[in-house]
Amino acid sequence: AQSVTQPDIHITVSEGASLELRCNYSYGATPYLFWYVQSPGQGLQLLLKYFSGDTLVQGIKGFEAEFKRSQSSFNLRKPSVHWSDAAEYFCAVGAQAGTALIFGKGTTLSVSS
Amino acid sequence: DAGVTQSPTHLIKTRGQHVTLRCSPISGHKSVSWYQQVLGQGPQFIFQYYEKEERGRGNFPDRFSARQFPNYSSELNVNALLLGDSALYLCASSSGTGHEQYFGPGTRLTVT
Repeated sequence: AQSVTQPDIHITVSEGASLELRCNYSYGATPYLFWYVQSPGQGLQLLLKYFSGDTLVQGIKGFEAEFKRSQSSFNLRKPSVHWSDAAEYFCAVGAQAGTALIFGKGTTLSVSS
Repeated sequence: DAGVTQSPTHLIKTRGQHVTLRCSPISGHKSVSWYQQVLGQGPQFIFQYYEKEERGRGNFPDRFSARQFPNYSSELNVNALLLGDSALYLCASSSGTGHEQYFGPGTRLTVT
């Protein structure tokens, strides 16, 4: 069965420090992978996507993610976190872009000053 | 350009009642998907429509139904509401298979 695991429920990072959010997926074929961010009471904003090609993808707001097929992972990274990055982050997988997405349970990011 | 819009923003219903949620996709997008997000969880897929045809259905009871109109807007209907239906209902649009989904702000449904 297809699934997405985000092992970290809650992470606290100091402002200016680097960030890595983990995502592992279980999928039979080549997956389409996404990271979304959700601020309290808001909808989901697409940060970045991986369809094919270069395994290191760049997104908005200075985020990047690396697809590692051998580890079934798609971890999200940012070199320097800003207080405005505090939010809920969701990793998602789909059979194709534009089809039903399977989401992880999310990781809550807190940023300390 | 306007993003995905959803109405209403908030809704309070009583158990056993019926509710209709509405979604307008981004202009030019022909596919609409619905997701349910229970507090503290990731969104769960309910339905997908493309060009007015149902393309996918998640593991939800028959109390949940949806449709897409000729202008590509969509409605999600839930009958015989249960307390467990309380959630944020998200609508997402895309231009079709091969393209990413963009989400609306959601409708917060509370069932009392």
